[in-house]
Amino acid sequence: EPEVTQTPSHQVTQMGQEVILRCVPISNHLYFYWYRQILGQKVEFLVSFYNNEISEKSEIFDDQFSVERPDGSNFTLKIRSTKLEDSAMYFCASSEVTGVGLSNQPQHFGDGTRLSIL
Amino acid sequence: GQNIDQPTEMTATEGAIVQINCTYQTSGFNGLFWYQQHAGEAPTFLSYNVLDGLEEKGRFSSFLSRSKGYSYLLLKELQMKDSASYLCAVRDTPLVFGKGTRLSVIA
Repeated sequence: EPEVTQTPSHQVTQMGQEVILRCVPISNHLYFYWYRQILGQKVEFLVSFYNNEISEKSEIFDDQFSVERPDGSNFTLKIRSTKLEDSAMYFCASSEVTGVGLSNQPQHFGDGTRLSIL
Repeated sequence: GQNIDQPTEMTATEGAIVQINCTYQTSGFNGLFWYQQHAGEAPTFLSYNVLDGLEEKGRFSSFLSRSKGYSYLLLKELQMKDSASYLCAVRDTPLVFGKGTRLSVIA
C-alpha cells in the first residue's frame, strides 16, 4: 500500500538554527499538509498546500515557517530560527482531491519527524 | 470557535465492545474522521462520516448525527492490539483534532 514517507525520523537542532523537514507524499495525491503534535497533546494543523500554493494555514504557522514543493515528489517544511517550543513531532499528510480544489478525502499520515530543540 | 470533546481515557476487556463518543462545535462541517494512533506513531485513518448514520467497516463502525454535533466510534471483538488513542477530527476548513481517547484493552 502506498505511504507517506518522512525524513529524518529524528532531528536534533540547536535553538536559533534552521531546520528542514522532508516529506514524500503518496504519488497520486495532490493535497499536502503539515501537522505538529507536542508530546502528550493533540495533533495541531499547521498548513495545507494545493496547486503549488498554501491553501490554509493556522496561527501557529507564522513567518518562521515556510513550505515548498521543490520538485515533483518532495514537500518540505522549513523553520527558519527554531525555538525551544518548536520541539514536537511533525507529521506530513496527503490526500486525494475531489471536486474543485477541496478535499474531503481521508488524509494519510507519515510516521513523523521528532524535532528536538536544545 | 472550534471545540471537539471526547473522553480522555477508557478501559475495556478483550473480546468486548466499546463505544467512544465525540461531540463537536465547529463553525463549518465537511465531514468527521476517526483516526487510531499508537503511542509514538502516526495517526492512521479508520473511518469517515459526512452524512447522518452508521458506517461499518469490519470490527469498526462510526456513527454521525450532524444535528446533535455527535459521533461515536464502535469497536467490536476487542483485541489487545486495539489499545491506542482514538482521535476524532472534524473537517471545518482545516482538519481539527480532538485530544484523543486513550483506550486500554485488558485481558
